Amino acid sequence: AQSVSQHNHHVILSEAASLELGCNYSYGGTVNLFWYVQYPGQHLQLLLKYFSGDPLVKGIKGFEAEFIKSKFSFNLRKPSVQWSDTAEYFCAVSREYGNKLVFGAGTILRVKS
Amino acid sequence: NAGVTQTPKFQVLKTGQSMTLQCAQDMNHNSMYWYRQDPGMGLRLIYYSASEGTTDKGEVPNGYNVSRLNKREFSLRLESAAPSQTSVYFCASNPGPYNSPLHFGNGTRLTVT
Repeated sequence: AQSVSQHNHHVILSEAASLELGCNYSYGGTVNLFWYVQYPGQHLQLLLKYFSGDPLVKGIKGFEAEFIKSKFSFNLRKPSVQWSDTAEYFCAVSREYGNKLVFGAGTILRVKS
Repeated sequence: NAGVTQTPKFQVLKTGQSMTLQCAQDMNHNSMYWYRQDPGMGLRLIYYSASEGTTDKGEVPNGYNVSRLNKREFSLRLESAAPSQTSVYFCASNPGPYNSPLHFGNGTRLTVT
């Protein structure tokens, strides 16, 4: 079965600090990769996705993620975080032709102003 | 343009009571999903419906049943609620059949006492 690991459950940063959230998955075949964000009191929203092509994908609000196939990783990055980035971030993986999306446990990011 | 609508938003049940969570989408999506979100565990798939007329078990189906009433609606039923089912439940949909990002509803917060 697929599994998704997110390395840090809680991250606290000051504004303007750089962010990197780790995500590793266990499935060996071709996968599709997603990062979702959940702002306090809201539902999940898509940040970015990777299906194929350039392994460096850019999403909304200045976020980007890099797919490293050899490391089974899809880490999320942002050069300079803002207070409004305070949220929970979820990595998710599906098989290339799969219906089911498997989520990681989430990383709660708190940005101090 | 409502997207994915879930009702109710909050519910408190006593152990052994039953209830149905309702979900409807107005995006003409083929696939619909029910997830539960628990602290430190991310989102776990309960059931999904790849297309109208089909339903399949996800990671944690025990204690739940679903009905894909038509293309728009996908309900989740708890026949005999247990405290372990205290959670936030999210309905989601996507165009299907594969890989499309999920669109989430606002969630139902269920407490079973």
